[in-house]
Amino acid sequence: GAVVSQHPSWVICKSGTSVKIECRSLDFQATTMFWYRQFPKQSLMLMATSNEGSKATYEQGVEKDKFLINHASLTLSTLTVTSAHPEDSSFYICSARGVGRADTQYFGPGTRLTVL
Amino acid sequence: GENVEQHPSTLSVQEGDSAVIKCTYSDSASNYFPWYKQELGKRPQLIIDIRSNVGEKKDQRIAVTLNKTAKHFSLHITETQPEDSAVYFCAAINMDSNYQLIWGAGTKLIIKP
Repeated sequence: GAVVSQHPSWVICKSGTSVKIECRSLDFQATTMFWYRQFPKQSLMLMATSNEGSKATYEQGVEKDKFLINHASLTLSTLTVTSAHPEDSSFYICSARGVGRADTQYFGPGTRLTVL
Repeated sequence: GENVEQHPSTLSVQEGDSAVIKCTYSDSASNYFPWYKQELGKRPQLIIDIRSNVGEKKDQRIAVTLNKTAKHFSLHITETQPEDSAVYFCAAINMDSNYQLIWGAGTKLIIKP
């Protein structure tokens, strides 16, 4: 089946620094990638939708200048948390939808971000 | 906008018994309904899905039913096993409009030995 990788799996950083998270579709081309944030014991919250070669569409309440998303190729999307603060600590998960597949999304393993 | 409600939030069943999780959606245009299983600290995994032109789908111990008129769909797990313990999320999509998954809040399923 389709594989989506995410890197890093866990990152600890100091407050004020920026962190980049990569999401890769390993064996298929992903025209659309989704970035989610998940708090403990809660559902996934969609942050933004990114389409290859175009600007990401952010959900209401998500600061696009703080969460920079780049979908530079059909297999790679990146999320950069700029000037991270402790409240940005969370589990970030990406998902990718393949070319010609309108339904199934394949999830990355997630990145646990801890901001000290 | 579209809203998906999921119940119960926590479900505890005896090993071997059946578990049922229910979801209700608001957008009648939703036409695809996946169910995901998420173990602690891991990614959601698709376990079963159903399209709006089908009323029921079964895969071994797992089944999903859809009632379009009432706009609700349910996940049924029979002969539950300890490895079924996880959080289950339902979701709905209108594939003709946009492809965003609208998620339920999740159900923590606990299988008691």
